[in-house]
Amino acid sequence: DAGVIQSPRHEVTEMGQEVTLRCKPISGHDYLFWYRQTMMRGLELLIYFNNNVPIDDSGMPEDRFSAKMPNASFSTLKIQPSEPRDSAVYFCASTSGGGQPQHFGDGTRLSIL
Amino acid sequence: KQEVTQIPAALSVPEGENLVLNCSFTDSAIYNLQWFRQDPGKGLTSLLLIQSSQREQTSGRLNASLDKSSGRSTLYIAASQPGDSATYLCAVVSSGNTPLVFGKGTRLSVIA
Repeated sequence: DAGVIQSPRHEVTEMGQEVTLRCKPISGHDYLFWYRQTMMRGLELLIYFNNNVPIDDSGMPEDRFSAKMPNASFSTLKIQPSEPRDSAVYFCASTSGGGQPQHFGDGTRLSIL
Repeated sequence: KQEVTQIPAALSVPEGENLVLNCSFTDSAIYNLQWFRQDPGKGLTSLLLIQSSQREQTSGRLNASLDKSSGRSTLYIAASQPGDSATYLCAVVSSGNTPLVFGKGTRLSVIA
């Protein structure tokens, strides 16, 4: 079975550019989560969706960040404009809910110069 | 607000040793607790999930225990091997469908 698929795996771009990260959850999973990992703060939730509807976006750092889930098999996380402090590893995870384990993608390593 | 702490932050042991990684959480009202492994530059691999009603879970050389009332969990690794070298993360959820709250991990090195 295919796991959670994220793209790109690596992204290097200059400050001010728009960045779009993509995620395909495991088929049949109703919950999708976006997390960010940094050395200083560890892994933190940005936003999560249930049945394509955003449930909690309190972790989104500011208006430069936005996330969408247009259908059950695709989600995007967009940063516009990007800043060097956005450099981190961004993970997507999905679960069927009901206390089942969350399954993580391999992450996108983002570097903003 | 739930906070998860993992001690030690780093650990180095010789091959063959049994070891224990610790995880504590501030709010005992959890739904379950999950242990993950993360290799450098990689994603997270789920190792064990313990429901709040359970006391422990075992998988091969790994055993995770949960003491919900005291807000603690341990991950026991038996007969450690160099291939066990990785960062181990502990995370909790407060209800069945909520996000994980992570500790910052323990970086384990097993020396051959």
